[in-house]
Amino acid sequence: DAMVIQNPRYQVTQFGKPVTLSCSQTLNHNVMYWYQQKSSQAPKLLFHYYDKDFNNEADTPDNFQSRRPNTSFCFLDIRSPGLGDAAMYLCATSRDIGGDQPQHFGDGTRLSIL
Amino acid sequence: GENVEQHPSTLSVQEGDSAVIKCTYSDSASNYFPWYKQELGKGPQLIIDIRSNVGEKKDQRIAVTLNKTAKHFSLHITETQPEDSAVYFCAASINNNDMRFGAGTRLTVKP
Repeated sequence: DAMVIQNPRYQVTQFGKPVTLSCSQTLNHNVMYWYQQKSSQAPKLLFHYYDKDFNNEADTPDNFQSRRPNTSFCFLDIRSPGLGDAAMYLCATSRDIGGDQPQHFGDGTRLSIL
Repeated sequence: GENVEQHPSTLSVQEGDSAVIKCTYSDSASNYFPWYKQELGKGPQLIIDIRSNVGEKKDQRIAVTLNKTAKHFSLHITETQPEDSAVYFCAASINNNDMRFGAGTRLTVKP
């Protein structure tokens, strides 16, 4: 059974039109992450939530926002998508923030920009 | 910050042969080294991990070795099968919010 679920699997939006991607988890993990992965590249961390504490990576554009209304759900909002934002967006969770906690990934949402 | 380099970028082997993927890291404080397998259209799946207090770990056909002095770690897959074909990522972290991935290795196992 899937433990980190991302919806939708494929999302198409128009240039500049806000879009929201969602992630839910059944693991009851404290930490949730959002990564951006472009073709043939490694995942790049955008931000993470440790419980309700939001932590933004220094180089994450302001265009990207996130919400975590409860333990199970986390959302990625892209306010004004540009062509360069077309990518796979991966959600991951870990039980805690400690250095030896494995991260569990969902299958991602592939975002296309028209 | 941590920098992880991964080699080779592509690897092609015959079914039944072994495959080895190598990674180096820069921050000696890194203490956790997971390996992920990513199949087409799916998210990365953890296949094995090793912590800095261990030099080697094995799980069936998969093994990982860690050399803390040289700051490198390797993934070894024996008796490869076509279903092992995927992109493999190594990673290193001090804290989970600072996990850095290698650039990935595309492994192709030819039947």
